[in-house]
Amino acid sequence: SYVLTQPPSVSVAPGQTARITCGGNHIGRKSVHWYQQKPGQAPVLVVYDDSDRPPGIPERFSASNSGSTATLTISGVEAGDEADFYCQVWDSSSDHWVFGGGTKLTVL
Amino acid sequence: QVQLVESGGGLVKPGGSLRLSCAASGFTFSDYYMSWIRQAPGKGLEWVAHITNSGSKIYYADSLKGRFIISRDNAKNSLYLQMNSLRAEDTAVYYCARYLITSFGIVRDASDIWGQGTMVTVSS
Repeated sequence: SYVLTQPPSVSVAPGQTARITCGGNHIGRKSVHWYQQKPGQAPVLVVYDDSDRPPGIPERFSASNSGSTATLTISGVEAGDEADFYCQVWDSSSDHWVFGGGTKLTVL
Repeated sequence: QVQLVESGGGLVKPGGSLRLSCAASGFTFSDYYMSWIRQAPGKGLEWVAHITNSGSKIYYADSLKGRFIISRDNAKNSLYLQMNSLRAEDTAVYYCARYLITSFGIVRDASDIWGQGTMVTVSS
């Protein structure tokens, strides 16, 4: 089955740029979606189809996908961005959704 | 407003059954594919199953096939998850979620609306 690999944690100072990676075999050939989940809350879609933002998501959230790595970039990180972030793809070979293990973003 | 509200969670003994419901409002439910996704305490997200808007196609995570059944009633704007032969490892918050439809009317395999979740605890 398809596997997505994320770093368990990323730390960044306020105002800096956070980059969260999501690795997978030829992931650049798939559409990658990103979710933000704050403690005790449901996930929120922040990026879909590699780099599109749903309405209401700040431009500070951007993403890219190429080769074997997709990357979510958060510019000008704020304390309120602290959360768990998950990448997700549709694995057409199995007709399954696959989530990465999640990355905890800590704002120092 | 657009909303999904899950219900039906609770404490159940191993081997027992539970039926979760998800009530949709604020959008045309029958237009949307829907999913169940779960999250064990302190763990990541795990896709459970999804169903097309008409209910004609259904997909399950391999580990759950045969024990869980997803269904929907478009007349009642409701999504369901029948869970049988429950195990301790099924303990989780269960979310229902709506597939994204872009502004161009294209269905995408991501979820833009999630419910608040319902907790299922399997324990003796």
